[in-house]
Amino acid sequence: EAQVTQNPRYLITVTGKKLTVTCSQNMNHEYMSWYRQDPGLGLRQIYYSMNVEVTDKGDVPEGYKVSRKEKRNFPLILESPSPNQTSLYFCASSIGFYNSPLHFGNGTRLTVT
Amino acid sequence: DAKTTQPNSMESNEEEPVHLPCNHSTISGTDYIHWYRQLPSQGPEYVIHGLTSNVNNRMASLAIAEDRKSSTLILHRATLRDAAVYYCILRDVSKGNTGKLIFGQGTTLQVKP
Repeated sequence: EAQVTQNPRYLITVTGKKLTVTCSQNMNHEYMSWYRQDPGLGLRQIYYSMNVEVTDKGDVPEGYKVSRKEKRNFPLILESPSPNQTSLYFCASSIGFYNSPLHFGNGTRLTVT
Repeated sequence: DAKTTQPNSMESNEEEPVHLPCNHSTISGTDYIHWYRQLPSQGPEYVIHGLTSNVNNRMASLAIAEDRKSSTLILHRATLRDAAVYYCILRDVSKGNTGKLIFGQGTTLQVKP
């Protein structure tokens, strides 16, 4: 089944403790991206990747890192999480950029205390 | 950056057509217009997309203004399962293949039985 898989679905952590949220897609998509969703703010793009080893900042990249060493994986790294990073995170992928639908994962709900 | 503007909320009766508007007055010539929806506790789901011509698929229709500064998502017969937040998205190329996506605030659609 074609899908975008995020892990974990739920995560509670403490301020400053490094964490990684994984994202994997099995559709051989070139484009991948991360979003966060907060009440009243809709979805905001954190980082995106056009292909392996090609990443760039979205609207809210501060406090996050990403890597794209393989086409299928696009992990989101929080080196020193803070409470303002408590949010619902979504990973998405698509075949190309302009003219292809985005496939979203089911989300990771992160709480930083 | 090209942005979109949508009404915060709309209501519809079940089995009636629904027209969801989106304004994107600063759209660039090669921006595609995408629509997604998000049901409660799920990731966003692709609905439809287009460039200049009106588009139809099994889920909905997309009507694009001649000047491309606005578009309308049309659900021909709303069902209770169509109650969701609908996002109008432009795939931004203003800086040359940046991959950046811009989400509007979304329209919360309520469907009354």
